[in-house]
Amino acid sequence: DIQMTQSPSSVSASVGDRVTITCRASQGISSWLAWYQQKPGKAPKLLIYAASSLQSGVPSRFSGSGSGTDFTLTISRLQPEDFAIYYCQQANSFPRTFGQGTKVEIK
Amino acid sequence: QVQLQESGPGLVKPSQTLSLTCTVSRGSISSGDYYWSWIRQPPGKGLEWIGYIYYSGGTYYKSSLKSRVTISIDTSKNQFSLKVSSVTAADTAVYYCARDRAVGATYAFDIWGQGTMVTVSS
Repeated sequence: DIQMTQSPSSVSASVGDRVTITCRASQGISSWLAWYQQKPGKAPKLLIYAASSLQSGVPSRFSGSGSGTDFTLTISRLQPEDFAIYYCQQANSFPRTFGQGTKVEIK
Repeated sequence: QVQLQESGPGLVKPSQTLSLTCTVSRGSISSGDYYWSWIRQPPGKGLEWIGYIYYSGGTYYKSSLKSRVTISIDTSKNQFSLKVSSVTAADTAVYYCARDRAVGATYAFDIWGQGTMVTVSS
């Protein structure tokens, strides 16, 4: 199985800050990576697919980059509604696997 | 917009079988563009993919769960189902059904159910 490792596990930031989350795959997955946002008591929401493609309806302050084993999710200007847990997920092969999550907290 | 809705018991006794159904509305489960999946999340923990079923009935399960998991599909009802046998407390989780896009370069879980909490306890 492909292992997905996110860093950091948590980050404290203020509204307006730029936040970067990293995801590393245990083997190359080309660009088959997705990012999700999860708020308490809610299902995850797809933000980014194919490493850098923005899902319809997702604000443009979210962006993704990377290929192979190293990927990044960037929130350019953090908004109050962005405080949540973010997960990466590899879509290269089955079984699908997720990172352990990164909690974005209010500073 | 396609919607998914999980249903089933919220409490299951240890050693028994957990059974959940996901109903797909505003879209057809018979599309070849998707893998219909189950994902779970233990309280306070991360996401664990369980397996998928394709409209034709083909399945793939996570290897560590394979001996206890069955996913089935009923295209006439636009539903797919999950069974987990011999449950223990470790199977306590929120269970999500989700649609995994299988077209072009867009592989991702784009539609999720709201999730249903299943507790394993006597």
